[in-house]
Amino acid sequence: DVKVTQSSRYLVKRTGEKVFLECVQDMDHENMFWYRQDPGLGLRLIYFSYDVKMKEKGDIPEGYSVSREKKERFSLILESASTNQTSMYLCASSPGLAGAETQYFGPGTRLLVL
Amino acid sequence: DQQVKQNSPSLSVQEGRISILNCDYTNSMFDYFLWYKKYPAEGPTFLISISSIKDKNEDGRFTVFLNKSAKHLSLHIVPSQPGDSAVYFCAARDTGGFKTIFGAGTRLFVKA
Repeated sequence: DVKVTQSSRYLVKRTGEKVFLECVQDMDHENMFWYRQDPGLGLRLIYFSYDVKMKEKGDIPEGYSVSREKKERFSLILESASTNQTSMYLCASSPGLAGAETQYFGPGTRLLVL
Repeated sequence: DQQVKQNSPSLSVQEGRISILNCDYTNSMFDYFLWYKKYPAEGPTFLISISSIKDKNEDGRFTVFLNKSAKHLSLHIVPSQPGDSAVYFCAARDTGGFKTIFGAGTRLFVKA
């Protein structure tokens, strides 16, 4: 059974703080993704990675960075949190080369930036 | 500009009846389509998919129909059950791409 875990379910941070969101998957998947989910906008891709130390920008990378030092772990970093980054953050992983296979999601982290 | 559109934010259906969730897309390069289901406080889970070479795929109570000429797909749930109440996301992927594009979601309420 595929398991994707995220370090926190709820997080409250102050504007300007550096925020780390961690994601770990236990199925040896090559691909990992970070999305944010906002009402009326669905899931929007922030960054993805198809291999260790590889990263690609998604549709809304501004204000974010990522790190993938190990295959099972993909971290999302908010360098200086802002109120417009208040959102639900979802991590996902998938096997295979081109991400054609279905993605497996973690439970999400609800981030509030004050 | 949203490439995958779910124009109905919500849908309410009586238990036992059919639920039809609709999705439109604009990119003719999309070749694979998926539906995900999301309960509150959980991540989305895969429900059913369809390749662009097909026009129908069925899995138990769930059927997805694809009309490529209209760039439209729909998810049918028959019969609907209260446990089907969730947000349903339509998603699409283009050939050889890593990215999956998601729609805004439709919240389904199935009334007992």
